Amino acid sequence: GENVEQHPSTLSVQEGDSAVIKCTYSDSASNYFPWYKQELGKGPQLIIDIRSNVGEKKDQRIAVTLNKTAKHFSLHITETQPEDSAVYFCAAYSGAGSYQLTFGKGTKLSVIP
Amino acid sequence: SQTIHQWPATLVQPVGSPLSLECTVEGTSNPNLYWYRQAAGRGLQLLFYSVGIGQISSEVPQNLSASRPQDRQFILSSKKLLLSDSGFYLCAWRLRGVGYTFGSGTRLTVV
Repeated sequence: GENVEQHPSTLSVQEGDSAVIKCTYSDSASNYFPWYKQELGKGPQLIIDIRSNVGEKKDQRIAVTLNKTAKHFSLHITETQPEDSAVYFCAAYSGAGSYQLTFGKGTKLSVIP
Repeated sequence: SQTIHQWPATLVQPVGSPLSLECTVEGTSNPNLYWYRQAAGRGLQLLFYSVGIGQISSEVPQNLSASRPQDRQFILSSKKLLLSDSGFYLCAWRLRGVGYTFGSGTRLTVV
C-alpha cells in the first residue's frame, strides 16, 4: 500500500519568513495530493490540493509543488503570520481500488511574532 | 452545500461503559465515510471506512465497531471502553475525485 513520509515534524519560523514542509510517497499510481491544516481542538481543514497532471498550484500565500519523478510534493507558505501556526498534514490518494487517503504524520508549525 | 455534523464535542466516560458517537452528512449522497482517531500530539489513525449502507471495513483490530444504518449516517460504538480508547475522534466524508471533509471532532476521555 501507499506510504507517506512527512518532514519536518516540527518547524519554527519568524513571522514574515517562509515555511516549507516536504512529503514523499511510495505508490507511483497516486494521483491526488491534498494538504490539511489542523488548529488546536479542531478537525483538519483542506487548504490546498494538487493533481498529478499539475506541477505547481498557488493560492495567495500558499503553494504546493509536485515532482512525480521523485515522488515528492511540498507545501510552501510565504510571509507567514501567527495564525498560520497549526499542524499541517499531507496526504496521497491512489486511484481505482483504493478508498482512502494515506496521511503523513504531520508537521507542527509555530510562527513566532 | 455539503456539511458534516459530529457529536458530542466532548465526552468523559468511565472505563467499561459503552460508547456511541454519531456523524451525519448533509447535501450529498452515497459518500465514502471514515472514522479516524488522533492521540494527543499524534497523527491520524484510520479506524473504519464505509463505501455504502451496511458496508464497513476495519483497518485495525480494536475495542471499537462502526455501523452505517443510513446513507449519510455513520456511528462509532464500543460495548466497554478502555483507557486506551481516549483520544480525538474525527469523522470525514469524501466524494470521488476530491479530498476529505472532516467534522469538528469528539474529544473522548476515558477515566
